Amino acid sequence: ETGVTQTPRHLVMGMTNKKSLKCEQHLGHNAMYWYKQSAKKPLELMFVYSLEERVENNSVPSRFSPECPNSSHLFLHLHTLQPEDSALYLCASTSDKSGEQFFGPGTRLTVL
Amino acid sequence: GQSLEQPSEVTAVEGAIVQINCTYQTSGFYGLSWYQQHDGGAPTFLSYNGLDGLEETGRFSSFLSRSDSYGYLLLQELQMKDSASYFCAVLFNKFYFGSGTKLNVKP
Repeated sequence: ETGVTQTPRHLVMGMTNKKSLKCEQHLGHNAMYWYKQSAKKPLELMFVYSLEERVENNSVPSRFSPECPNSSHLFLHLHTLQPEDSALYLCASTSDKSGEQFFGPGTRLTVL
Repeated sequence: GQSLEQPSEVTAVEGAIVQINCTYQTSGFYGLSWYQQHDGGAPTFLSYNGLDGLEETGRFSSFLSRSDSYGYLLLQELQMKDSASYFCAVLFNKFYFGSGTKLNVKP
């Protein structure tokens, strides 16, 4: 399998649930990103991992917890989310200083 | 953070040429990228300008002028399938995205 994949594609969860989003890339890239995209807003960078180390945490609430166990996998652990966290969550990967990011299809998250 | 400005919406007809501008208030970045996103889909990479000047890829071209703090995406021979949102992004140690331009292509 090639490219960037994300699972699940759709997720509905209550505010007390705990869930995880998964991202996988088989492109040999060394940097991975989580973005949040809400309706009619620009992409908001959440986290950046470079060589499996978190290099960016963009003032994201602690109810979002990233994990990067290796260079091919990235997780976003979710707990006690709020309805305003409903959005499209996109994962992307790139090689260092490359202008091209490869995006996964995203997870459409709805928090009830 | 960095500030990138794009028009929010542009409308054009099939076969026409449209230019989407991106102005920014920053310097010292590696380059300017453009991405296309259809409704319900993920952004896909279109082009990257690491140096000033014009980059051409088929019907799409992108231009960067660091001295003028702006770039643009030029779409020629518009097709209905080009209706999408287009984002510019500058690359520092991470990407900063503009708010996107929704392009409506009409018959």
